[in-house]
Amino acid sequence: EPEVTQTPSHQVTQMGQEVILRCVPISNHLYFYWYRQILGQKVEFLVSFYNNEISEKSEIFDDQFSVERPDGSNFTLKIRSTKLEDSAMYFCASRTYGGGEKLFFGSGTQLSVL
Amino acid sequence: EDQVTQSPEALRLQEGESSSLNCSYTVSGLRGLFWYRQDPGKGPEFLFTLYSAGEEKEKERLKATLTKKESFLHITAPKPEDSATYLCAVEETSGSRLTFGEGTQLTVNP
Repeated sequence: EPEVTQTPSHQVTQMGQEVILRCVPISNHLYFYWYRQILGQKVEFLVSFYNNEISEKSEIFDDQFSVERPDGSNFTLKIRSTKLEDSAMYFCASRTYGGGEKLFFGSGTQLSVL
Repeated sequence: EDQVTQSPEALRLQEGESSSLNCSYTVSGLRGLFWYRQDPGKGPEFLFTLYSAGEEKEKERLKATLTKKESFLHITAPKPEDSATYLCAVEETSGSRLTFGEGTQLTVNP
């Protein structure tokens, strides 16, 4: 079965540094998402992206966060100035169509902010 | 605001001992209710989507059911390899985000 691929699997950074998390969604998918999961907590929605623009974002997704689809295959999440509380597992997800469709998740990037 | 509550938080079963996990939800309009399995350090793995009350879906030892207020994931004669965290999520008709519950951590002992 096709997979969503995320790199790196682990990222350690210093507080205040910028990080870029990378994802390759499944090739024929049109809707892209980022979720995060802080250790021991629930999976939380960050942002959805369709047709080269943000279609929905949560209150967590503030000005420190941005997303981009720089080419036909990659989808990135940038955190401009990381905070300790940004430490979490970040999941990329994609699906073919919008609502109600099966959502495929990647294996995640574990971000540790020191 | 969407609310999803799963119970129990943790469940320990003996191999072959059937049981059910519960997911209670509150949404303005339900587009779909999703069940995922999550292994430690991994991303959620899709199991089922249910769309309307009365709907049921099965896959191997798992069966998911849906009412207007809750969903059940029934596990029949579980095996140790069924040990994982099971996540429930809802999608509302007004958007495309999934709102997840806290999950039920299932352990099946041989």
